[in-house]
Amino acid sequence: EVQLLESGGGLVQRGGSLRLSCAASGFTFYDYAMSWVRQAPGKGLEWVSRISGNGRTTYYPDSVKGRFTISRDNSKNTLYLQMNSLRVEDTAVYYCAKVKWGVATGPFDYWGQGTLITVSS
Amino acid sequence: DIQMTQSPSSLSASMGDRVTITCQASQDISNYLNWYQQKPGKAPKLLIYDASNLETGVPSRFRGSGSGTDFTFTISSLQPEDIATYYCQQYDDVLYSFGQGTKLEIK
Repeated sequence: EVQLLESGGGLVQRGGSLRLSCAASGFTFYDYAMSWVRQAPGKGLEWVSRISGNGRTTYYPDSVKGRFTISRDNSKNTLYLQMNSLRVEDTAVYYCAKVKWGVATGPFDYWGQGTLITVSS
Repeated sequence: DIQMTQSPSSLSASMGDRVTITCQASQDISNYLNWYQQKPGKAPKLLIYDASNLETGVPSRFRGSGSGTDFTFTISSLQPEDIATYYCQQYDDVLYSFGQGTKLEIK
């Protein structure tokens, strides 16, 4: 059974840093691209980063580019999101998500339960 | 960047109704369009991928169609468990994007 378990959420001050982790199990982790998706309170879904299976290719939207870094440790079956220079508008539930196919892109067939990040002013 | 415009933003329907949601891309995305269902406090769930393919285990009352820039998501006969918010998502571009969501409520 595929499982994705996020951790690392919490309260942080504006300008601070935080690292999220997503522990994966139930599939061959290094074969699959992964993403982080966030959802601000009462708002819609926003994709915030993606990484290829081997970790060599990453992409970010402008809203987080230069502040967030996605990475993975395939030996530990774990996905990370390093978040720096946090802003109040980064407050959201952060989900990790697995790509359906063993290629660099595709729909998200499994999601974690989410972890809440609150950035205070 | 590709913008996804979903409509309506909210929808009120009765049990058994046919429900339709549309999603328009700002440029041609071929069929690289997915639909997700999200219930309050839960993670999104993949329902339809590549515009018209039903994810395993998803009831056949859910249907997707379209290609290029215009897409449609349909529930043929609304059931109580379908009350949720629905999102479209494109993955044609290296930078993914979601529609703003459609909140489905009971009339």
